[in-house]
Amino acid sequence: DQQVKQNSPSLSVQEGRISILNCDYTNSMFDYFLWYKKYPAEGPTFLISISSIKDKNEDGRFTVFLNKSAKHLSLHIVPSQPGDSAVYFCAASDGQGAQKLVFGQGTRLTINP
Amino acid sequence: GAGVSQTPSNKVTEKGKYVELRCDPISGHTALYWYRQSLGQGPEFLIYFQGTGAADDSGLPNDRFFAVRPEGSVSTLKIQRTERGDSAVYLCASSLSPGSTEAFFGQGTRLTVV
Repeated sequence: DQQVKQNSPSLSVQEGRISILNCDYTNSMFDYFLWYKKYPAEGPTFLISISSIKDKNEDGRFTVFLNKSAKHLSLHIVPSQPGDSAVYFCAASDGQGAQKLVFGQGTRLTINP
Repeated sequence: GAGVSQTPSNKVTEKGKYVELRCDPISGHTALYWYRQSLGQGPEFLIYFQGTGAADDSGLPNDRFFAVRPEGSVSTLKIQRTERGDSAVYLCASSLSPGSTEAFFGQGTRLTVV
């Protein structure tokens, strides 16, 4: 069973607009969530995280929102830039920081000029 | 080194052969993780080391897979009697300590079993 789901395999957004990537999870024990960005032939790089005690975390152009009751989180990128084109993975863990992360399938984001 | 280093970048092997994949974590990082990423999927947890010992190996798919970290730094993932289904990108990550809120990934080793 897929405990972390990213239901959109791909997303295309115009440069300068907002990109919204979504992630759903089923395990109520998850209390720490991360977003990773991956370019081809590179490993995932950490982007932003959020603890379950918060509902929003912001870092520059990136904001993550957490809705615990809906078991849903989203990553907002604004304004979107061509360099943001990559695969984005949502990941979750259950009280162990970044240990034993459970990843979603990823969403390929393409920013069009 | 500056980041997590994995060697080789690519490995092609014949079905039934033995392979070893190496991971050099970030200097000073005590926690090390192995993940496997199949095509179109996200990374899946395999095993986690704290120091020299495997703290959690619940993600290893079967007893053909084994990993070591004898000196608490470099780790080797070993796969015996490889099968075509083992083809994937094997990712290694490290973090400063087990409770760290961020893990840093290497570029991965793409294993192809033919």
